[in-house]
Amino acid sequence: SQQGEEDPQALSIQEGENATMNCSYKTSINNLQWYRQNSGRGLVHLILIRSNEREKHSGRLRVTLDTSKKSSSLLITASRAADTASYFCATAIMNTGFQKLVFGTGTRLLVSP
Amino acid sequence: DAGITQSPRHKVTETGTPVTLRCHQTENHRYMYWYRQDPGHGLRLIHYSYGVKDTDKGEVSDGYSVSRSKTEDFLLTLESATSSQTSVYFCAISEAGTSPEQYFGPGTRLTVT
Repeated sequence: SQQGEEDPQALSIQEGENATMNCSYKTSINNLQWYRQNSGRGLVHLILIRSNEREKHSGRLRVTLDTSKKSSSLLITASRAADTASYFCATAIMNTGFQKLVFGTGTRLLVSP
Repeated sequence: DAGITQSPRHKVTETGTPVTLRCHQTENHRYMYWYRQDPGHGLRLIHYSYGVKDTDKGEVSDGYSVSRSKTEDFLLTLESATSSQTSVYFCAISEAGTSPEQYFGPGTRLTVT
C-alpha cells in the first residue's frame, strides 16, 4: 500500500503566491524527503527532514513534520514560473542498514506568470 | 542528473520480447536502484544493488531481473515484456544505503505493444 499520499493532487497558482502541499504517511519513519520532477526529467532532491525535527528551511522552501499526525507539508514561498513541476514526498524507512524510500503519488504544481 | 545516464531513453517493443535497460553512473556510488513510475502510483522500487554482483528485490520485482558486473553499470532486464510493464523507468544512485538522498537519471520511457 502507498506509504505517502500527497494532497492536493494538483495546484494552480499565480507567480508570487505561496504554494503548500501536504503529505501523509502510515508507518514510523527515519526521515522524510521532498523531491521535484520537471516534465520529462528525473527527480531532484529538495530537502530532508529527520524524524526528530519539526521544521526545516532551505531558501524559499519550508518543510514541517508532525510525527504524531504522520504528516508533512512543503511550503514554497513567492513562487515562480520555474517552480512548475511535480513534487513528491518520500518516506525513508530503515531496513537492515538500508534506507528504503517510499514515494507518494505527487502534487502537480502549475505557476502562471 | 548527476553523472547518471540511461539508455535507451525511449523504446517501443512487442509483448513477449526481452528488453534490457542500462543505467551508467560516473559517481562511483555503491548503491544503485531501479524504479518504475506510473500514474497514480508514484515511484515504486523494482530492484536495488548494494555492490558489484550484490542485488536485492524491491516491492515490484516480479517479471524483472537485474545484474551489476561493474560499479558503474546496473542493468534491468524484462525477460518477456508484457503490456503491464509499459512505464517510465528511473535509475537512481546513492553513496551508501543509509545516505539521505538519492540522485536520479533522466528516465527511460518503455512502451510494450
